Amino acid sequence: QQPVQSPQAVILREGEDAVINCSSSKALYSVHWYRQKHGEAPIFLMILLKGGEQKGHDKISASFNEKKQQSSLYLTASQLSYSGTYFCGTGFNSGGYQKVTFGTGTKLQVIP
Amino acid sequence: EAQVTQNPRYLITVTGKKLTVTCSQNMNHEYMSWYRQDPGLGLRQIYYSMNVEVTDKGDVPEGYKVSRKEKRNFPLILESPSPNQTSLYFCASSLSRGLGAFFGQGTRLTVV
Repeated sequence: QQPVQSPQAVILREGEDAVINCSSSKALYSVHWYRQKHGEAPIFLMILLKGGEQKGHDKISASFNEKKQQSSLYLTASQLSYSGTYFCGTGFNSGGYQKVTFGTGTKLQVIP
Repeated sequence: EAQVTQNPRYLITVTGKKLTVTCSQNMNHEYMSWYRQDPGLGLRQIYYSMNVEVTDKGDVPEGYKVSRKEKRNFPLILESPSPNQTSLYFCASSLSRGLGAFFGQGTRLTVV
C-alpha cells in the first residue's frame, strides 16, 4: 500500500533541477509532500487534491496525475537549504475515510 | 506559536518496563496520529484519533496503546516494550484526516 518513490537518493549541485516521483497502486484522493531535515520533524510542503492540480511556492512545485495515480515534485534551481529527505503521502479511500500512507522517502543532497 | 510537543525527546529503557510518550497540540486540531520511522521503511502509522474518545489502529499497532481523553493530548503507551520497538516516533496533528499535518519534534526510543 505504500507509494513508491523514485529516485531513492539524488545528489545535486546548487542551481540544478530535480524531479521526485511518487506512484501508487491505488486510486488516489490526494497527494501530500513533506521535507524532513536530518534529526528534525517532517515539514508539510503542499497538498494536491485534484487530478491535474499543480501547486508551488518559491521554486518547489508539484503536479498530480490522478489517472496515472502519480505525483511529481519539482525542485528548480536548487539551493543548499533544499537538502533533506522528501516524503510523499498518498490519500486514498479506506472504509469511507481518507487514509494517508507515506512512501519511504527520497534523500536529496545539494552540494556547493 | 502553533506546535505539537512531544516528551521525552530521548528515552532509553529496558525490555518490559512500561512507558508513556506524551503528545500535546495547541491548534485545536481534531485529528492526531502516531508514526514510527525506521531506516528504509519511511513513516508508518501506529494509531490515529479522529476526535476525543475516538481512536483506531493504523498500519503497525501491535505492542502500542493510545488514549484521547482531551482534544489536545494523545499519549502513546508501550505497556511492555521490546527491542523491536526501538525507533524514532512522531506525533502529528491536523484539522481533519487527509489534510496536511504538523509533526512533533520526535522521540528517539531505545529498548535494551
